[in-house]
Amino acid sequence: DGGITQSPKYLFRKEGQNVTLSCEQNLNHDAMYWYRQDPGQGLRLIYYSQIVNDFQKGDIAEGYSVSREKKESFPLTVTSAQKNPTAFYLCASSPSRGDYGYTFGSGTRLTVV
Amino acid sequence: ELKVEQNPLFLSMQEGKNYTIYCNYSTTSDRLYWYRQDPGKSLESLFVLLSNGAVKQEGRLMASLDTKARLSTLHITAAVHDLSATYFCAVDRGLTGGGNKLTFGTGTQLKVEL
Repeated sequence: DGGITQSPKYLFRKEGQNVTLSCEQNLNHDAMYWYRQDPGQGLRLIYYSQIVNDFQKGDIAEGYSVSREKKESFPLTVTSAQKNPTAFYLCASSPSRGDYGYTFGSGTRLTVV
Repeated sequence: ELKVEQNPLFLSMQEGKNYTIYCNYSTTSDRLYWYRQDPGKSLESLFVLLSNGAVKQEGRLMASLDTKARLSTLHITAAVHDLSATYFCAVDRGLTGGGNKLTFGTGTQLKVEL
C-alpha cells in the first residue's frame, strides 16, 4: 500500500542538540511538506518542496532545515537554534497536479528534555 | 496574509443532535479541505471542495463552500459518539509549479456525549 512513513514516532532532544525527523513516501507525489502542531492549535507550515533539490520556507522556518535529495524523502532537522521545539510534527505530500489536498504521515512527537 | 478562523473552538453535543461548524477565511480561494484528527493521531481527509457552491456528503457529515462569502460549513446530522474528534478546515493559498499550500484553521474540538 502507498503511504507516508514518519519516524521515529517519539523523539527526545536535549538542549543544544540537533535532531532529524524522517519522512518517506511511496505515492510518487512531487510535493512534500512539513507542519508543526502545538497543543490545541492548528498546523503551521515549516518548509515545503515541489521538486527534488528545491525547497521553500514556510511561515515558521527559523530554527529548522530540510533537504530533498530524492523524490521519496524529505527529512526535517530541528536545530539548536529552535528555542521551543516541543511539538507534534507532521509530514505530508501531494501530487503536483490535481486538487486532492494532502496525504499525511502519522507524525513525530518531539520533546525537549 | 491568509487567515482561517473556525468556530466554535469547542463543541459539546448530545447524540442525535444536529450542529454546524463554520470556517471563515480572509482572502480569495476556491479550494477548501476538511480534515479529522483523533487525539494523538494524524489528520484524515474528509472533504475536498473545489468550487463555489460545492457540497459533499459522507454519512452524517456534509460540507459546503461559498467562495463569495469566504465561508465553508461542516454540518453534523444526528451526531454519534464516534464523531468525537477535532475537525480542521484548510484553505489552499495556491502554488505555482504544482502542489497545494494549505493554511489551517485552529480546529474545532467536538465531543459527542452518550
